[in-house]
Amino acid sequence: GAGVSQTPSNKVTEKGKYVELRCDPISGHTALYWYRQSLGQGPEFLIYFQGTGAADDSGLPNDRFFAVRPEGSVSTLKIQRTERGDSAVYLCASSRQGYTGELFFGEGSRLTVL
Amino acid sequence: GIQVEQSPPDLILQEGANSTLRCNFSDSVNNLQWFHQNPWGQLINLFYIPSGTKQNGRLSATTVATERYSLLYISSSQTTDSGVYFCAVEDDSGGSNYKLTFGKGTLLTVNP
Repeated sequence: GAGVSQTPSNKVTEKGKYVELRCDPISGHTALYWYRQSLGQGPEFLIYFQGTGAADDSGLPNDRFFAVRPEGSVSTLKIQRTERGDSAVYLCASSRQGYTGELFFGEGSRLTVL
Repeated sequence: GIQVEQSPPDLILQEGANSTLRCNFSDSVNNLQWFHQNPWGQLINLFYIPSGTKQNGRLSATTVATERYSLLYISSSQTTDSGVYFCAVEDDSGGSNYKLTFGKGTLLTVNP
């Protein structure tokens, strides 16, 4: 697509529920990133994919968070047993393969855990 | 890890004024980007500028990598320039260089 697409744009859930957030990167971009932005802060790195594999998941806060990218394009961020502290905007970005240059971000998925 | 400091944290301007936003970073970098986050939360790329100077319309940016800072200039500001401006860097630590570390941003408000 023309830009990075994220769905849903807003998600409200109850504490303890399971949530999936989807990212569709720019066509031809093989690098994909997830970031999390809390109110009043800059985005923080969660995980990076090069192709289908997670090259670095060191930013995932704990084992309730997991992400997949089975075909090297669309990625899903999965959060189990959500907690109120998980409330944030989850941002996806993509960039061209082998090029540590510009990252292009989607509009984000705003997650609210009640 | 690398530290990124942005100043000022807040800035209020009248339409038509010029401004300079600063980004200091604590280590050498491979990548530096400036973003504008609009009121709807979208992060818009402004510049990819690990070194040198670039200009795009009313905006320009300069990065002096040897002195570990970057400046974003906004001239003849407009109300649509309002939002948060982020500087983000990728440190030159060797190996896998792909994480952007963001500063806390500068909140710019341009009044009509």
